[in-house]
Amino acid sequence: EAGVVQSPRYKIIEKKQPVAFWCNPISGHNTLYWYRQNLGQGPELLIRYENEEAVDDSQLPKDRFSAERLKGVDSTLKIQPAELGDSAVYLCASSLDRREAFFGQGTRLTVV
Amino acid sequence: GIQVEQSPPDLILQEGANSTLRCNFSDSVNNLQWFHQNPWGQLINLFYIPSGTKQNGRLSATTVATERYSLLYISSSQTTDSGVYFCAVETASKLTFGTGTRLQVTL
Repeated sequence: EAGVVQSPRYKIIEKKQPVAFWCNPISGHNTLYWYRQNLGQGPELLIRYENEEAVDDSQLPKDRFSAERLKGVDSTLKIQPAELGDSAVYLCASSLDRREAFFGQGTRLTVV
Repeated sequence: GIQVEQSPPDLILQEGANSTLRCNFSDSVNNLQWFHQNPWGQLINLFYIPSGTKQNGRLSATTVATERYSLLYISSSQTTDSGVYFCAVETASKLTFGTGTRLQVTL
């Protein structure tokens, strides 16, 4: 069974440019999470989806970040415009009914 | 929100040694997971353990939900055990990660 797939693995962009990350969760998983992990810290939740509904986006900086989960399957996370402080690893995870969560390999974003 | 503290923050072991990592949390939780983040950044599931004890090879974990803590035991450590160990707790609102324990196993 395929795990959580994220792309791209690495992205380098100039500040003020837009960037998008894609996540394909494990088949059948209804819960999808996006996390951000800064160097030396634990992952912090940005947004959680139950099927196609965003049920917890309190930590998402809504002025520049947006997310969507089409048809309750794949999800994209977008930043526009990117700032230097957005450099981090962006992790996607999925679970069935908010039980055991499985993580993708992450996208390492560098904003220069 | 819930606070999740892990100890020790850093640990250096010689290969073959045993260790215990601790995770304390400040409120009731629905479930708890232990992850190992390898040097390439991948978070690998170790245990899904809302309560009780589980074992998987050289690793075992115990969660005492009523006392709000969980322990991860690593026996006969190997260099491949190096990395960061996180516990994460699920509450009604979200999955919250602890502060992590960075483990280095040396030859």
